[in-house]
Amino acid sequence: EIVLTQSPATLSLSPGERATLSCRASQSVSSYLAWYQQKPGQAPRLLIYDASNRATGIPARFSGSGSGTDFTLTISSLEPEDFAVYYCQQRSNFLFTFGPGTKVDIK
Amino acid sequence: QVQLVQSGAEVKKPGASVKVSCKASGYTFTSYYMHWVRQAPGQGLEWMGIINPSGGSTSYAQKFQGRVTMTRDTSTSTVYMELSSLRSEDTAVYYCARGIRFSHYMDVWGKGTTVTVSS
Repeated sequence: EIVLTQSPATLSLSPGERATLSCRASQSVSSYLAWYQQKPGQAPRLLIYDASNRATGIPARFSGSGSGTDFTLTISSLEPEDFAVYYCQQRSNFLFTFGPGTKVDIK
Repeated sequence: QVQLVQSGAEVKKPGASVKVSCKASGYTFTSYYMHWVRQAPGQGLEWMGIINPSGGSTSYAQKFQGRVTMTRDTSTSTVYMELSSLRSEDTAVYYCARGIRFSHYMDVWGKGTTVTVSS
């Protein structure tokens, strides 16, 4: 099973700042990685798929990069609604796993 | 619009089984795979498995092999997830989520079904 680790566990930032979230896979997943946002009491929302493609309706301030084992989600300038938990997720041979999440909270 | 409507909350005793439903609407049911993902209180997301509504084939996470069964009813555009031999650690919100065609990333989610396992 491919294990995903995310860092940091918590990121404390102010609105307008840049957020950089990391996801590392235990073995190569090529570009088969997605990012999701989850707010309290809500279902997750797909942000990025195939490492760098924004899902429908996702603002341009969200961007993804990376391949192989190291991936990054960048939020260029945090809006108040961006404070949430972010999960990375990989797909490999019809087996999927999520990372433990990074919480972005208000400093 | 695309919608996934899940069944209501359940309370079960340890050792029992639970069956959660997820009714799809607004798209061609058999053209998109469906995932099941759960989230224990205060914890992260855990992928349980995936079903192809067209042929019924499934793939389960190793952790749930032997304990989970995913099925579908094409006449009602509904998928089901049954989890047996419940224990307290299975207390969680269970989500169904549609997989994008071909890539199977999860683009539409149900609101979740809370399953509580308690004696």
